[in-house]
Amino acid sequence: EAAVTQSPRNKVAVTGGKVTLSCNQTNNHNNMYWYRQDTGHGLRLIHYSYGAGSTEKGDIPDGYKASRPSQENFSLILELATPSQTSVYFCASGDAGAEQFFGPGTRLTVL
Amino acid sequence: GDKVKQSPSALSLQEGTNSALRCNFSIAATTVQWFLQNPRGSLMNLFYLVPGTKENGRLKSAFDSKESYSTLHIRDAQLEDSGTYFCAAASSSGGNYKPTFGKGTSLVVHP
Repeated sequence: EAAVTQSPRNKVAVTGGKVTLSCNQTNNHNNMYWYRQDTGHGLRLIHYSYGAGSTEKGDIPDGYKASRPSQENFSLILELATPSQTSVYFCASGDAGAEQFFGPGTRLTVL
Repeated sequence: GDKVKQSPSALSLQEGTNSALRCNFSIAATTVQWFLQNPRGSLMNLFYLVPGTKENGRLKSAFDSKESYSTLHIRDAQLEDSGTYFCAAASSSGGNYKPTFGKGTSLVVHP
């Protein structure tokens, strides 16, 4: 079973602050993804990566940056957090064209 | 409009009955995944499909790429089947593998 972990699991941030969400996978998957989940929207893709050093914009990238320093790690960065970014964030990994495996999610509240 | 549409959006089943969930997509999908999000929020993998069918216990799923839809059949529904079911469709052509999620079907199984 693929292992994807996320940290922190819960985060409260202030408006205008910087937030970094981290994701780690131990299955040597090439692709990693960041989604957010909001009521009525399902999961929406923010950024993804094909491998170390690469990041690509997903469907809703505005206000977010991503970093993939290694095969195992993929971070989502909110430079100036806003209340509209309050959500549950999921990281996933998988090889291209193959099954995705999800982490447990991070609940972010921006006050 | 939504690239992946799930129906119904909500469903209530009596324990022991059968039902089918559907996912229609307007993208040229080559793969489909089905997930169950349990009440704690965790996303569990149910099926990963290329065109064809798969079965696992009381669950059976089919993916027709020509007609652009997928179905998930639940037989003999149990209380633990309650949760939100998501489908995600993706095209692996062109090397740009970005799964797109539907908004989910919320299922409640009652005694």
